[in-house]
Amino acid sequence: AQKITQTQPGMFVQEKEAVTLDCTYDTSDQSYGLFWYKQPSSGEMIFLIYQGSYDEQNATEGRYSLNFQKARKSANLVISASQLGDSAMYFCAMREAGSNDYKLSFGAGTTVTVRA
Amino acid sequence: NAGVMQNPRHLVRRRGQEARLRCSPMKGHSHVYWYRQLPEEGLKFMVYLQKENIIDESGMPKERFSAEFPKEGPSILRIQQVVRGDSAAYFCASSPVSDYLGNTEAFFGQGTRLTVV
Repeated sequence: AQKITQTQPGMFVQEKEAVTLDCTYDTSDQSYGLFWYKQPSSGEMIFLIYQGSYDEQNATEGRYSLNFQKARKSANLVISASQLGDSAMYFCAMREAGSNDYKLSFGAGTTVTVRA
Repeated sequence: NAGVMQNPRHLVRRRGQEARLRCSPMKGHSHVYWYRQLPEEGLKFMVYLQKENIIDESGMPKERFSAEFPKEGPSILRIQQVVRGDSAAYFCASSPVSDYLGNTEAFFGQGTRLTVV
């Protein structure tokens, strides 16, 4: 079964507008961590933001915020005030507790294109 | 403090040749993880190594693929007798201790893009 589901293969957003990227996850663990990465066309994986399952507040990092809804098992990424440089592929990932807590499970990604 | 360094960035091999991908972890890190990204997909875990030990290779194909992390030098991911289906981006990550949930960041190298022609 897929652990991470990203249902939006591609999105267009106007410069300076906000965009929400969906991510749902599947786990039976109570303790887990959720990550978002950005992969620009140059190919590197850039860490953006982290949310722990026990964190009571939604994580924020600059223009990135994570809308964490634990009961719905969703961890959507919100990018505010989009910039042209935000055009990239975005991946949601999860790390679960337990003996395999070093493994990251990734979704298939969402391509974001920012229009001027 | 340099990040995770991978080389080469791009590698072209003919079918049947060997590919050797290198990963130098961040300074002070003794744990290395390899992931593979096939075109249009997310990253998939391949193998987890500590110095001189393979801890988990459950994501490695059973044949032709091997990995090592010697006492001295970089971690090496080796693919023998490459086939077109091995064309992918291979990423390496490192950590100072075995990753656990308290490790809120996970940094990757820039990846090696292998193309098999």
